[in-house]
Amino acid sequence: KQEVTQIPAALSVPEGENLVLNCSFTDSAIYNLQWFRQDPGKGLTSLLLIQSSQREQTSGRLNASLDKSSGRSTLYIAASQPGDSATYLCAVSGGGADGLTFGKGTHLIIQP
Amino acid sequence: DTAVSQTPKYLVTQMGNDKSIKCEQNLGHDTMYWYKQDSKKFLKIMFSYNNKELIINETVPNRFSPKSPDKAHLNLHINSLELGDSAVYFCASSQVTYGYTFGSGTRLTVV
Repeated sequence: KQEVTQIPAALSVPEGENLVLNCSFTDSAIYNLQWFRQDPGKGLTSLLLIQSSQREQTSGRLNASLDKSSGRSTLYIAASQPGDSATYLCAVSGGGADGLTFGKGTHLIIQP
Repeated sequence: DTAVSQTPKYLVTQMGNDKSIKCEQNLGHDTMYWYKQDSKKFLKIMFSYNNKELIINETVPNRFSPKSPDKAHLNLHINSLELGDSAVYFCASSQVTYGYTFGSGTRLTVV
């Protein structure tokens, strides 16, 4: 059974810092990996989708990497801003209609 | 245009009642899902539907029943609501290589 772990569970840093969020998964036979953010009381916003054949994806100040063989992904946020404060969720898919298996998230606070 | 929309956004109801949550997607995706986010904010899949066929049913009580009239809709019906059913329920859809798109959630409170 796939399990996804996210470290750290919570992170508070001053504005402007670069930071890394970590995600690991137990079964490397994934189809893709997706990073989401969730603001308090809101839904999930997709940030980046990495297919299993890809090593990384970039969108603006965000960069996500995938090392499928070691079961790891990182989300890099450059020049953090207070608006980046949210919970970041990592999720993996086994393909087909398996659905996503989620980690418990990293609660991020960017201090102004 | 909202890609995945679900209604209602909030639902407060008494124990023992029956309620439904509706979900619609306009993305043309083949598969739709229901997820439950518990009080600790952990997201877990409940059901998925692919071309109107139930694919996954993850140890969910049979008081919960998904109904899909067509590929664009997946409704969740809950019978005999219990206090422990209080949670946020998310609808999602997916297509191979395009990832998953989630609705904004329905916060269910059972009193």
